[in-house]
Amino acid sequence: DTGVSQNPRHKITKRGQNVTFRCDPISEHNRLYWYRQTLGQGPEFLTYFQNEAQLEKSRLLSDRFSAERPKGSFSTLEIQRTEQGDSAMYLCASSPDRGTYEQYFGPGTRLTVT
Amino acid sequence: DAKTTQPTSMDCAEGRAANLPCNHSTISGNEYVYWYRQIHSQGPQYIIHGLKNNETNEMASLIITEDRKSSTLILPHATLRDTAVYYCIVRGLSNFGNEKLTFGTGTRLTIIP
Repeated sequence: DTGVSQNPRHKITKRGQNVTFRCDPISEHNRLYWYRQTLGQGPEFLTYFQNEAQLEKSRLLSDRFSAERPKGSFSTLEIQRTEQGDSAMYLCASSPDRGTYEQYFGPGTRLTVT
Repeated sequence: DAKTTQPTSMDCAEGRAANLPCNHSTISGNEYVYWYRQIHSQGPQYIIHGLKNNETNEMASLIITEDRKSSTLILPHATLRDTAVYYCIVRGLSNFGNEKLTFGTGTRLTIIP
């Protein structure tokens, strides 16, 4: 499968714990995006990388959130001191840096904070 | 990016054409119209996009009005697997900036057997 992959698919954690999600983009895609989706809403943009450089961050990305893409390939999204409001689906997408930049999404990681 | 307006929900009979409208009256000249769909518990799936000409691919057709203030996504022969939330998104393109997709709440399309 050459699509975007995300791990884990589901994560249940207790409030206050730290969690880390991983995204592996389509191999030739230089751009990588993170979105968050809560029930009944469309996905909301969190942050975006061009290769290893993080070029844009949403105001939704509080200080407890950090994203990295150290070698311009896979990316991680870490949430520290999780809160119940962090419960959501976290989606990763990738796109090429040419053409019309269609974004291709992974299956998401569903986080439940208890 | 320009705002879009879509109906909250629609039904369509299986085998018929599903026509999903989208209004984007504030679209500017360099903004594209993108359509994505999201089947329950999956990530969004790219369907089609266009600038001003009508477009067709293996999944759907996109009809954009001449003034570009609205568009229609057409699924020519809807199947039960087309039941999903459909998002119409207007997006400018540049090397940096305007990279994010701004999703609304979309149209929940239900295909009726």
